[in-house]
Amino acid sequence: GAGVSQSPSNKVTEKGKDVELRCDPISGHTALYWYRQSLGQGLEFLIYFQGNSAPDKSGLPSDRFSAERTGGSVSTLTIQRTQQEDSAVYLCASSSSGRASYFGPGTRLTVT
Amino acid sequence: DQQVKQNSPSLSVQEGRISILNCDYTNSMFDYFLWYKKYPAEGPTFLISISSIKDKNEDGRFTVFLNKSAKHLSLHIVPSQPGDSAVYFCAASMIYNQGGKLIFGQGTELSVKP
Repeated sequence: GAGVSQSPSNKVTEKGKDVELRCDPISGHTALYWYRQSLGQGLEFLIYFQGNSAPDKSGLPSDRFSAERTGGSVSTLTIQRTQQEDSAVYLCASSSSGRASYFGPGTRLTVT
Repeated sequence: DQQVKQNSPSLSVQEGRISILNCDYTNSMFDYFLWYKKYPAEGPTFLISISSIKDKNEDGRFTVFLNKSAKHLSLHIVPSQPGDSAVYFCAASMIYNQGGKLIFGQGTELSVKP
């Protein structure tokens, strides 16, 4: 079956512009997560959606970051007024409750 | 505050030998631990996991050991193969309190030499 997909695979944007990153989780997975990996760093948790519960936004680095999950499936991560420090690989993952998360290939964001 | 730590940024092993990757954690509330493998330009790939009620889980060449008293887990790969060369991340979660949200270590780059 299909895994987690993300689009675009690469995004180059100018400082100050807004970007939207998309994630299509594995069908039937109730949980969806966003992480990011900055150059030379580990994976940093950003936000977590579980079913209809309020999302866990504790990892979002600033109020320029937001995410939504429509219809319990597709998710969009939005970064407003991008800064150079936002450059990273943004990874989406999904899981069934209590099981391992499966990751997409990531979106490489470069802010110039 | 780094709750999950992988203190070795890199490890080099000869093909056929055992690779041992280590991970330490500080939060005793973690109840589920995982290992992921990551190649450049790809997302992490799930390898193996262990619940806090166990001390060992084996899957083929991969075995994960958990020592709760020491807050330490390790991944053993035996025999190591050149295709195992990648960055390995350990991760921890509190399934019952925080769902599957993962806290990752910094990663260890494994190089298996033929």
